[in-house]
Amino acid sequence: DAGVTQSPTHLIKTRGQQVTLRCSPISGHKSVSWYQQVLGQGPQFIFQYYEKEERGRGNFPDRFSARQFPNYSSELNVNALLLGDSALYLCASSSPGHKTEKLFFGSGTQLSVL
Amino acid sequence: QQQVKQSPQSLIVQKGGISIINCAYENTAFDYFPWYQQFPGKGPALLIAIRPDVSEKKEGRFTISFNKSAKQFSLHIMDSQPGDSATYFCAACFNTNAGKSTFGDGTTLTVKP
Repeated sequence: DAGVTQSPTHLIKTRGQQVTLRCSPISGHKSVSWYQQVLGQGPQFIFQYYEKEERGRGNFPDRFSARQFPNYSSELNVNALLLGDSALYLCASSSPGHKTEKLFFGSGTQLSVL
Repeated sequence: QQQVKQSPQSLIVQKGGISIINCAYENTAFDYFPWYQQFPGKGPALLIAIRPDVSEKKEGRFTISFNKSAKQFSLHIMDSQPGDSATYFCAACFNTNAGKSTFGDGTTLTVKP
């Protein structure tokens, strides 16, 4: 079975631009979470979606938004990019039920903002 | 406010030695504590996890020790191998909702042959 897949793997943008990152969860997983991992730090929670509903939002500005589609895939959008948005963006999915112990991460999208 | 503090930032261990990584948390409502292993270019992968109602959990060479009163937990890697060289993250979450976890800042482990 395929794991969590994210696209693109790398992305370079300039300040002020907008970016959309994509995630496909493991088949059968209904919960998708997004994390930001700055170099040298641990992942920081951005959003969780379950059954297309937002189940949680971390301490990120409104420039960050996300959605989940009927097939449980998800997109993360970041508007008005800042240099500080440069990071590895990780998507994670979990097994049926939005409260679950096992979280499976994709390999991430490395975003560079110049 | 950093709710999960991890130490040390980096660790060098000889092959066959014991690697110990410590974490401390602030919020007593956390009820699930996973550890993740991350290799360069990859996302974190779940290694082992514990709930606060037990003081120790062992899976192969990996053991979690949990001290509820001190709000601390640690990962012990026995017989450390060069293949264990990676970054390790502790995490904590509420209601076993791992999708909404708070992570420590990571420990880079190097196991020398």
